[in-house]
Amino acid sequence: GENVEQHPSTLSVQEGDSAVIKCTYSDSASNYFPWYKQELGKRPQLIIDIRSNVGEKKDQRIAVTLNKTAKHFSLHITETQPEDSAVYFCAAPFRDYKLSFGAGTTVTVRA
Amino acid sequence: DAGVIQSPRHEVTEMGQEVTLRCKPISGHNSLFWYRQTMMRGLELLIYFNNNVPIDDSGMPEDRFSAKMPNASFSTLKIQPSEPRDSAVYFCASSLLAGPSYEQYFGPGTRLTVT
Repeated sequence: GENVEQHPSTLSVQEGDSAVIKCTYSDSASNYFPWYKQELGKRPQLIIDIRSNVGEKKDQRIAVTLNKTAKHFSLHITETQPEDSAVYFCAAPFRDYKLSFGAGTTVTVRA
Repeated sequence: DAGVIQSPRHEVTEMGQEVTLRCKPISGHNSLFWYRQTMMRGLELLIYFNNNVPIDDSGMPEDRFSAKMPNASFSTLKIQPSEPRDSAVYFCASSLLAGPSYEQYFGPGTRLTVT
């Protein structure tokens, strides 16, 4: 099945700095890559996604890049703020309907 | 739109008891997913329904787990008998169309504790 590896598992950044989370996937047929944010005690919520026909997508302070050749994609958060502190999950599709989730990255933004 | 609704939000039960978790997907969504989240195993897909039909239950841990979707607006996940290792947060999610290329909307989750 689809194997999604996510790094790092924890990330501590100073407020205002950038945060980068990387994921690799195994199924070359995968064509959709969402990122979910889960605040403590809350549900996962989609924050950005990218499809395989583009290499980069931006939405205000967050961006996702995709390298299909290398089978990896990354989440970039710029000008981090305390409210960016959360667990972030990447995911990739398997069997057209399953999402295989990465193990998650706990991001802590230090004030 | 109220989003995906789950009940109860918290459940504490003793080992051996039956537990039933409930989910109401977003109106109009035709796909429903049940996930389990633990520190050790992360987010795991348990079962997937499309148009009320179970498509893939390969993630269901064992026969103690069962899920139903009698209509488009209601689904249950039942554990009988429950065991301490079932303690986790159980999420229900729904999406508009089959396939992963459509956003999955998660419910608030049910935190289950089996003592």
